[in-house]
Formats: sequence, C-alpha cells, structure tokens
Amino acid sequence: EVLLLESGGGLVQPGGSLRLSCAASGFTFINFAMSWVRQAPGKGLEWVSTISGSGGTTYYADSVKGRFTISRDNSKNTQFLQMNSLRAEDTAIYYCAKDHGAVAGYYFDYWGQGTLVTVSS
Amino acid sequence: QSVLTQPPSASGTPGQRVTISCSGSSSNIGSNTVNWYQQLPGTAPKLLIYNKSQRPSGVPDRFSGSKSGTSASLAISGLQSEDEADYYCAAWDGSLTGYVFGSGTKVTVL
Repeated sequence: EVLLLESGGGLVQPGGSLRLSCAASGFTFINFAMSWVRQAPGKGLEWVSTISGSGGTTYYADSVKGRFTISRDNSKNTQFLQMNSLRAEDTAIYYCAKDHGAVAGYYFDYWGQGTLVTVSS
Repeated sequence: QSVLTQPPSASGTPGQRVTISCSGSSSNIGSNTVNWYQQLPGTAPKLLIYNKSQRPSGVPDRFSGSKSGTSASLAISGLQSEDEADYYCAAWDGSLTGYVFGSGTKVTVL
C-alpha cells in the first residue's frame, strides 16, 4: 500500500522559513518523480514543484521560483520542500504527491493527507 | 487565473448524467495526457481519470473521460449522492514546464 506522510507545517511569520517533509512507503521511491501541490483556504489546487526520481531535475511554479527548493533523500524514501521568504499568499495545505513516472509530465497517482502552512504575523 | 478553464459548478439529480468541460491549449491538453482528480469535502484529492479516459482500480465505471484537440470532458453517469465533490482537470504544460490545473468544478447532487 502506498503511503505518503507529510510533516513540518505550522505557523510562521512573513519572511520566515519552513521545511516540509514527506515520508513515502509502499513503492520503490527512486523510480518515481515526486511533487508538491498546495491549496489555499477555499481555493483550488496549485502545482508547486516536482523533482525527478534521481533528483537531478527539478521544476518550480513561477510563484515560488527562487524562494522554494525541492529535494529528496532516496536512501530515506523522503522528499522535502524548503520554503524561504514566506508570504501570506503561501498560506495553504501542502500535499505531497507521487508522480506516475520517473520524470515529470504524467499525473499524480497517490496523494498524502496534507500539512497546513500558515504565514501570518 | 487558471491555465485550464472549467465551469465553477455543475449539478444534477440522482441518476442523471453530468458533464464537466476543461479547456486548454496546444501546450497542455493538446499535447499531453489530461487527468482528472476528485476531492471529496475535507479530504485530499484522489486520481479519478488518467491518460484521458483510463480509470484507476476502484473507480466506478460511471466516471468516464474524453478528449478532443485542446479540450477534455469528464462525465458522471448515474449520479449518486457520494459524487458530491470538487473535480479538477490537470495536464503537463510543455511551454510552462510545469503541471497546470483547472480552477475546479463543484458538483452538487440535488
């Protein structure tokens, strides 16, 4: 059974930093790209970032480029999202999602339950 | 504003057929797989349809997908109360080099 468990969310002040983690199990982690998708309160889904299975290729939405960094540790079956220079508009539930292939471009076949990030003073 | 365009709402009575449209462009739906996600109230999204019309194991066959050119559709036949949810279309966009989502359609069972 595929399981994705996010952690690291919480309340942070504008301009602050936060690091999200997603622990994966139930599949061969290195064989699949991983992504982060967020959902602001009462809003729709917004793709944030994707990292290839090897970790060698990364993609970012324009809204987070230069502030967020995606990474993964294939020895620990875990992916991360380092979020810097946080803004109020980054407030959202952040979902960890498993991609269907080793590289980006397919679809998200499994999702975690999400972790809430609140940016407020 | 979302790259993919969906109607904000759709509704029907139990047993009816409901269709949701998703309009994109040649850089996303026109050249990549289109997928649909269902988000029940208070829960995480779930893959509903992939590769235009394929259903993951466990998804009822009353859900079906189609694609024509730069547009796609999701149909729910024999609408049931448990189908009340938000539905999102999505695709990879080769020009933006990222995934794009529709704004979501809220389906209400009357």
